[in-house]
Amino acid sequence: EDQVTQSPEALRLQEGESSSLNCSYTVSGLRGLFWYRQDPGKGPEFLFTLYSAGEEKEKERLKATLTKKESFLHITAPKPEDSATYLCAVQTPGTYKYIFGTGTRLKVLA
Amino acid sequence: DTAVSQTPKYLVTQMGNDKSIKCEQNLGHDTMYWYKQDSKKFLKIMFSYNNKELIINETVPNRFSPKSPDKAHLNLHINSLELGDSAVYFCASSQFLSHTDTQYFGPGTRLTVL
Repeated sequence: EDQVTQSPEALRLQEGESSSLNCSYTVSGLRGLFWYRQDPGKGPEFLFTLYSAGEEKEKERLKATLTKKESFLHITAPKPEDSATYLCAVQTPGTYKYIFGTGTRLKVLA
Repeated sequence: DTAVSQTPKYLVTQMGNDKSIKCEQNLGHDTMYWYKQDSKKFLKIMFSYNNKELIINETVPNRFSPKSPDKAHLNLHINSLELGDSAVYFCASSQFLSHTDTQYFGPGTRLTVL
């Protein structure tokens, strides 16, 4: 069965303390891996799409990487406004469906 | 301009009632989705329409009935509401491409069944 697991479930960082979030997946094939940010009371906001192992994408303090089994979202020198839940989703070939992980709740303290 | 919009934002109702949630997208996309997010924040696909045709229909009680009058709209009607239907419902849209398609989400509708 296709599965997506995110870790850690929750993460508290001091402002400026870099870290990484993990998204591991077990799927029959990968069409795309997606990272979203979700703020309380809002819908998920698209961050990145990764298609193949070795690919990397960057946006401000965020960098997403992909291997054959997992993806990392690296946060460099985070700020309090980076606090949110980060969701990972995978899409398998021949389907429109996303399979979401349960998310990582990130809290960055000033 | 709001890309994917939903109404209402909040919905509080009694058990047994029937209610509808509306979704509209102005991105020109051809595919729309309904997701349910439970209290643990887990997002699960319910339905998807591509060009007004139902293409995903997960194991959802038949009290839930989606309707897509055109490519820009996808509504969700729920009959005989139950306590367990309380959740946040998200609409999303995407443009299906041969390579992949990124889904864009609406702000959500928080449904509370009393």
